[in-house]
Amino acid sequence: GAVVSQHPSRVICKSGTSVKIECRSLDFQATTMFWYRQFPKQSLMLMATSNEGSKATYEQGVEKDKFLINHASLTLSTLTVTSAHPEDSSFYICSAGDTETQYFGPGTRLLVL
Amino acid sequence: AQKITQTQPGMFVQEKEAVTLDCTYDTSDPSYGLFWYKQPSSGEMIFLIYQGSYDQQNATEGRYSLNFQKARKSANLVISASQLGDSAMYFCAMREDYGGSQGNLIFGKGTKLSVKP
Repeated sequence: GAVVSQHPSRVICKSGTSVKIECRSLDFQATTMFWYRQFPKQSLMLMATSNEGSKATYEQGVEKDKFLINHASLTLSTLTVTSAHPEDSSFYICSAGDTETQYFGPGTRLLVL
Repeated sequence: AQKITQTQPGMFVQEKEAVTLDCTYDTSDPSYGLFWYKQPSSGEMIFLIYQGSYDQQNATEGRYSLNFQKARKSANLVISASQLGDSAMYFCAMREDYGGSQGNLIFGKGTKLSVKP
């Protein structure tokens, strides 16, 4: 099946720094990718929809200036957590696919100290 | 109101037995898709099975089958012949095709399945 990669898999950073997470569709083109966040023992919550060549669409309550999304090509979307704080520590996971299947990346565990 | 409801926070099943994980959904869209994903402790989301709202037959994929009851708005996952490796969190999800949806999935809270040897 289709594969979505995500990098890095794990990152620990100091409060106030920025962290970039990459999401790549390896064997298919994705005009749309989705970014989700999952806190411990909770479900996945959609943060934003990344659209190739246009601005991302953010869900209510997600700060677009804090979570910068760039979808510069049909196989790459990046999520940058700017000025990260401990409350941003979470599991970030992206997905891409078609109407019948959404393939997820392996996720990125972010820990902000 | 929750769009996806999984009422079982945790389930236990004996190895080699079948287990049903419940999922009900709420949508007014005539066209939608229903998904089940498995999430082991590593965190990856593993796609298991898909059911389209217009599909006449219940979806099956190996040991996984989806008991789709449209009138009741339920999409239960049945795992036959449980294996120890099936122990994980299981999420039911829905994609709505209208109402401004961009194709993202809406997830339930999940069910933690534990398979006993």
